[in-house]
Amino acid sequence: DVKVTQSSRYLVKRTGEKVFLECVQDMDHENMFWYRQDPGLGLRLIYFSYDVKMKEKGDIPEGYSVSREKKERFSLILESASTNQTSMYLCASSPRPGRSYEQYFGPGTRLTVT
Amino acid sequence: GNSVTQMEGPVTLSEEAFLTINCTYTATGYPSLFWYVQYPGEGLQLLLKATKADDKGSNKGFEATYRKETTSFHLEKGSVQVSDSAVYFCALSPTTGFQKLVFGTGTRLLVSP
Repeated sequence: DVKVTQSSRYLVKRTGEKVFLECVQDMDHENMFWYRQDPGLGLRLIYFSYDVKMKEKGDIPEGYSVSREKKERFSLILESASTNQTSMYLCASSPRPGRSYEQYFGPGTRLTVT
Repeated sequence: GNSVTQMEGPVTLSEEAFLTINCTYTATGYPSLFWYVQYPGEGLQLLLKATKADDKGSNKGFEATYRKETTSFHLEKGSVQVSDSAVYFCALSPTTGFQKLVFGTGTRLLVSP
């Protein structure tokens, strides 16, 4: 079974702190994704990566950056956390796509910024 | 652009009731369509998928049929259980470009005994 793990289930940080969210997948997938999930808004794509050291902006990249130094690991960085970044963050991975690929999700990190 | 519209929730049902959650989409060409489910405290997991028109995806008693003429992919189950209580997301994978998933806003299902 594909397993996607995230470093923390719950995280509380202060405004202005630098925050790192880590994601690791064990199935040698090329593609990795970071989403945030908010009530009434569904899932919104922050960044994705289709190869090591490659990254692409998603729909809401402002205030975030990412790092992918190894194939299995994709990190989301909040350079200076703000209260409007309080959210559930979900990581996902997928193999090099055929036409109808699916994504495999981690359990999520609920981040609270105070 | 590509988009997915789901019915607003919550949908509240008694055990053994029939379930329909509506999903319609806007996309060019022939996207692949998915239903994901999120149980409380967990990430999303794929429930079922369909890759071309008139395909029917099915899993765990849930079904959805890819209807090109109505651009719909409604989720159905004949008899829900309390354990089906979760949030359900409809999503599409576009035909062209990098195959990011486009999600609907999710529909919460609450099933009471």
